[in-house]
Formats: sequence, structure tokens, C-alpha cells
Amino acid sequence: AQTVTQSQPEMSVQEAETVTLSCTYDTSESDYYLFWYKQPPSRQMILVIRQEAYKQQNATENRFSVNFQKAAKSFSLKISDSQLGDAAMYFCAYGRSYGGSQGNLIFGKGTKLSVKP
Amino acid sequence: DTEVTQTPKHLVMGMTNKKSLKCEQHMGHRAMYWYKQKAKKPPELMFVYSYEKLSINESVPSRFSPECPNSSLLNLHLHALQPEDSALYLCASHSGFPTYGYTFGSGTRLTVV
Repeated sequence: AQTVTQSQPEMSVQEAETVTLSCTYDTSESDYYLFWYKQPPSRQMILVIRQEAYKQQNATENRFSVNFQKAAKSFSLKISDSQLGDAAMYFCAYGRSYGGSQGNLIFGKGTKLSVKP
Repeated sequence: DTEVTQTPKHLVMGMTNKKSLKCEQHMGHRAMYWYKQKAKKPPELMFVYSYEKLSINESVPSRFSPECPNSSLLNLHLHALQPEDSALYLCASHSGFPTYGYTFGSGTRLTVV
């Protein structure tokens, strides 16, 4: 069975600084996706960034980037130039490529990120 | 339309009530999911409808029953719930292709009194 581990229950960053959230996972599959979701107090689960396991290049989305180490099964999220609006719960998640009945997301326990002005 | 719409946003119900949660998407996605999320916890999968076939998390009690009238609509029927069922209920959909992932609704905050 697949597992996702986020070892940092809470993190704090100063506005405009950079912060890295950690995530490790375990799987025996070779084809999968990894995601970072953001959940603010408004509770909407918002996709931040995704990474296809077959791609060696790390995904980037504006101020968000990942460090994907497939052999080490590590998938960390780096947030650059942190903004007050980045404050939220961040979930790392694992999912199969094709969704469907086998494709439910497996979430880590989450990291609560606070941004200090 | 790139959204998953959930109604109602908030629901308070007694333990003897029957109510339903609704989830709708018009993206042509063929897989839809119900998740339950307790405060400060990650979402937990309850049900999956994929190509009109239902998969159930066996730990989900029978007082929750899903219904998929069509490929765009997913309901969750609630009956004789317990206070511990109070949670955020999230619906998600997936395109079924690896080019993209999951889209979530904004959830229904359920309180059982």
C-alpha cells in the first residue's frame, strides 16, 4: 500500500522569504503522480503543483517549485517570496495516473504554514 | 466550466433526519469521489464512482449511501447520523486521463446535533 509522510506539522516563514515543506512517500509502482494541495481556512482544496513520476524535470508554477527525488521517494515543495495569502494547510498527495476506482488520492497529514508579516 | 459544485455549503441535521449532499461537475470527468475530512486531518476516501461503477471504503458505515444519477452528478444520502459524523465532506472528480488530476469542490460543512 502507498503511504505519504509529512514530518512537519507546522512551519513558519517571514513574508518575502523562502520556505520548504517536506514530503516522503512509499510505493512499489513506477507510474504515478504527486501533488501539493493548499487548503486555506475557506476549506477549498486548491491544487498548487503536480509532478509526473516519469518526468525527471522538477515542476514549477510561478513561486512554487518542487524537488522530486524519485529514488529517494522524496517530494518537497519550495515557496519563494512568501506572501500572506500562502498561509494555509498544505497536503502532499499521491495518486495513480488514470484516476478511476484505483485512483483515489492518498494524503499526508498536512503541514500548517504560517506567514509572518 | 472547470468547477466541482457542492451544495449545500453548510448543513445542520438531527440524528433522526434524512438529508442529502449534492456534487456536480460539467467537465466530462468519469470518476467522482466523496471524501470526509475531520478538523486538522487529511481527507479520507469514502466512495468512488468510476464509469458508473461504485467502489466503497469498507470502513464507511451504512448510514452513508452514495448515488450517481448520471456521470455529472453525485449525491451522498445521510440517514441516522451520529455526532462523530460531523465533518467537512469534499467531493472531487478526475478526468480519467493522466494529463491532469483531481478537481475538488469547496465542501459541505456538516454538523450533526
